[in-house]
Amino acid sequence: DVKVTQSSRYLVKRTGEKVFLECVQDMDHENMFWYRQDPGLGLRLIYFSYDVKMKEKGDIPEGYSVSREKKERFSLILESASTNQTSMYLCASSLSGVDNEQFFGPGTRLTVL
Amino acid sequence: RKEVEQDPGPFNVPEGATVAFNCTYSNSASQSFFWYRQDCRKEPKLLMSVYSSGNEDGRFTAQLNRASQYISLLIRDSKLSDSATYLCVVNGDTGRRALTFGSGTRLQVQP
Repeated sequence: DVKVTQSSRYLVKRTGEKVFLECVQDMDHENMFWYRQDPGLGLRLIYFSYDVKMKEKGDIPEGYSVSREKKERFSLILESASTNQTSMYLCASSLSGVDNEQFFGPGTRLTVL
Repeated sequence: RKEVEQDPGPFNVPEGATVAFNCTYSNSASQSFFWYRQDCRKEPKLLMSVYSSGNEDGRFTAQLNRASQYISLLIRDSKLSDSATYLCVVNGDTGRRALTFGSGTRLQVQP
């Protein structure tokens, strides 16, 4: 059974804190993605990676950075959390190429106070 | 204009009804189209791909209209378990290796 796991289901942080969200997949997928999902706005792509140490900006990369040191792990970093980064964060992975099915993790609900 | 637009709904239908959703996309060069399903408080999962000639999977039929730049999803004989949000997904930018998700259409099937 394919699996994408995220380090936390719920997270509460304070403004200005550095926040790490971790995502691990066990399917040997080349592609990994970070999205945020907000009511009325749907899923918006923050960053994605198509190989180890490779990354590309998505639609809303400002305020975020990512790290992919190993194929199975993709980390999202909020350098200095702000209240407008309160959201549901979803990680996904897929085989290489753009048309392959994306498998999502359960999501992390982040609240920044 | 958003790359992918959907009516947010909700669509409230009785069990057994047929319901259809449309989704429009802005990039005429888009090549790949999908429908994902997201249950309440769950992650999205692929429902079906959408092929140029249209395709069917059981009670679900997907169609693509390139001339008018929309895709549709038809659900026949709705079940209570079909209640979910349906996300339209497009490869909107051929220079980018990522898909663009619509904000979803919510379906509520009532007994």
